[in-house]
Amino acid sequence: NAGVTQTPKFQVLKTGQSMTLQCAQDMNHEYMSWYRQDPGMGLRLIHYSVGAGITDQGEVPNGYNVSRSTTEDFPLRLLSAAPSQTSVYFCASSYSGFGRGSYNEQFFGPGTRLTVL
Amino acid sequence: AQRVTQPEKLLSVFKGAPVELKCNYSYSGSPELFWYVQYSRQRLQLLLRHISRESIKGFTADLNKGETSFHLKKPFAQEEDSAMYYCARNAGKSTFGDGTTLTVKP
Repeated sequence: NAGVTQTPKFQVLKTGQSMTLQCAQDMNHEYMSWYRQDPGMGLRLIHYSVGAGITDQGEVPNGYNVSRSTTEDFPLRLLSAAPSQTSVYFCASSYSGFGRGSYNEQFFGPGTRLTVL
Repeated sequence: AQRVTQPEKLLSVFKGAPVELKCNYSYSGSPELFWYVQYSRQRLQLLLRHISRESIKGFTADLNKGETSFHLKKPFAQEEDSAMYYCARNAGKSTFGDGTTLTVKP
């Protein structure tokens, strides 16, 4: 099992450019999430999905879009990059993560370091 | 909003000394609490979940509902424990604390 994979590892964008961060998992997990990690601010949830075709917003969704056409893939799109989106982005998946009493761990990808100039 | 607070951004101890990483959460009945760890150049991974009541790599964490705390403890720190530690609540749609960087000095 590759677990959770993310591409690219590094990316530099100019303000206004768009791009897609890829995330895939091979564990047949229903739940997938995108977080951004900023210095001193921990991880903040951007968007999440409870299954194919179902997505919802997290804490900091502005400027990002997601879709979930398959169980395996959960891409994150930056529509018009801004310097404030410079961050490290993590994708995570779990068997079940949104019901009370689930207690299931999240498996994280290696991260994508994005710089917007 | 549900909050997780880790009051110490940096924590430094000597090898063999006890270590405690603090975590407090906003009250909401029965929380699901986790500790995740990120070692240098590695991905974030689960260390402990409160429901398991287990010891992993010598670490334990006890849920104190009265104090709304879930502090992580280890009686004798090792150099390989140096890492970033995150406290989190809820599985999946999680809220993370800001993290504590632990440095264990030789």
